Parts: sequence; C-alpha cells; structure tokens
Amino acid sequence: GAGVSQTPSNKVTEKGKYVELRCDPISGHTALYWYRQSLGQGPEFLIYFQGTGAADDSGLPNDRFFAVRPEGSVSTLKIQRTERGDSAVYLCASSFASGGGNEQFFGPGTRLTVL
Amino acid sequence: GQNIDQPTEMTATEGAIVQINCTYQTSGFNGLFWYQQHAGEAPTFLSYNVLDGLEEKGRFSSFLSRSKGYSYLLLKELQMKDSASYLCAVTRKRSNDYKLSFGAGTTVTVRA
Repeated sequence: GAGVSQTPSNKVTEKGKYVELRCDPISGHTALYWYRQSLGQGPEFLIYFQGTGAADDSGLPNDRFFAVRPEGSVSTLKIQRTERGDSAVYLCASSFASGGGNEQFFGPGTRLTVL
Repeated sequence: GQNIDQPTEMTATEGAIVQINCTYQTSGFNGLFWYQQHAGEAPTFLSYNVLDGLEEKGRFSSFLSRSKGYSYLLLKELQMKDSASYLCAVTRKRSNDYKLSFGAGTTVTVRA
C-alpha cells in the first residue's frame, strides 16, 4: 500500500518568502507528526495532530511556523518570512493511533533550502 | 527535558557484529524506538522496547534497561546495505505527549 508522501521533494526559496509543505499520511492513520532534521542531527519534533486538531505544537520554533490538517488527512506546514536557518529536511510521519507505542511511519521529506 | 546520547560514528567489517549504545535521561519515560535511516531517505522502524530485556528480530536485536536509562541495538552478520544512520528515540508517558525525541544518530559504515 501507499506510504506517507510529501510534496515537493525539494524546495528552494529566497529569504523572506512564504512556503507551504504538504504531507499525505497513510490512509486511516489518525495521528500525524511534523519533524525537522538538520544535517547530522536526529529529527526534531515540531507539531502533532490527532484528527483535525493540533494536540501538541510545542516544537514550533516561533510564530512564523503554522500547520493545518483541516479534514483530518492531508496536512500543510506553512512557513512565513523564511530565514536561512529554516533550511532543513522537513519530515512528516503518521501512525494508526496516538499512544506511546505506536510506530510512526515517515515520509521521504521535503528538503527546504532558503537562500 | 531529555538528554539522549549515542556515539556519532561506528565502523565494522562485513559479517561482523556491531552494538550501538544509547543512554537517555527522560522524565516520565515510556518506551524507546530504534529507527534506521539511509542517506537521503526516510527513517524506517526497527524496534520498540517498553519492558526491560532483549527483543530479537532476525539479524537485529534491541535491549532496554529502564533502571539504567540504557538501550543498545545489536546488528549481527553485517551486510553492506546496513551502512546507515541508526536513530534512538524515546517517548514519554505524559498524556498527549506522543512525539518521538531523537538522539543525533549513529552513522554505521560497513566495510568489505
């Protein structure tokens, strides 16, 4: 079956621009997570959705970052006024349900480069 | 907060065994995951430990000691395709706290 998909795979933008990153989770997965991974580091949590609502957004670095999941499936991560420090791979993951032991399935990521 | 430590790099020979250690200091610890990540690809699930002891799954085994805040991933009969980054991640027991908190990863290089 289809795994988690993310678009675009690569995004190059200029400092100050707005970007949207899309995530299509595995069908039937109610929980969706966004992470950010810098080179040589492990993924860093950004936000977690249970259904349509953001259950935990404690990892969003500042108010330039926002994410939505209006119908409880596809999610969009939105970054305003991008900065060079936002350059990273943005990973999306989904799981069948929330709960500490549920395996999270990761998408291939979107590599964001801010010039 | 949490502090998750694992070695940065390890090198081993094809056919050998490598053990990747992970130590953590996590309040409200629930369980520990190991993920494999090939360069430029998504992390893929290897194992999950919530109870003390060894979980064996083919060539890969994972161990957890909750009292010591310690886990290891054991890779046996190494193959070239095992060259990858191995990520240790913990979860917490707090309600609504289901995120994975990752270590920086251990890059394993398998040489012929």
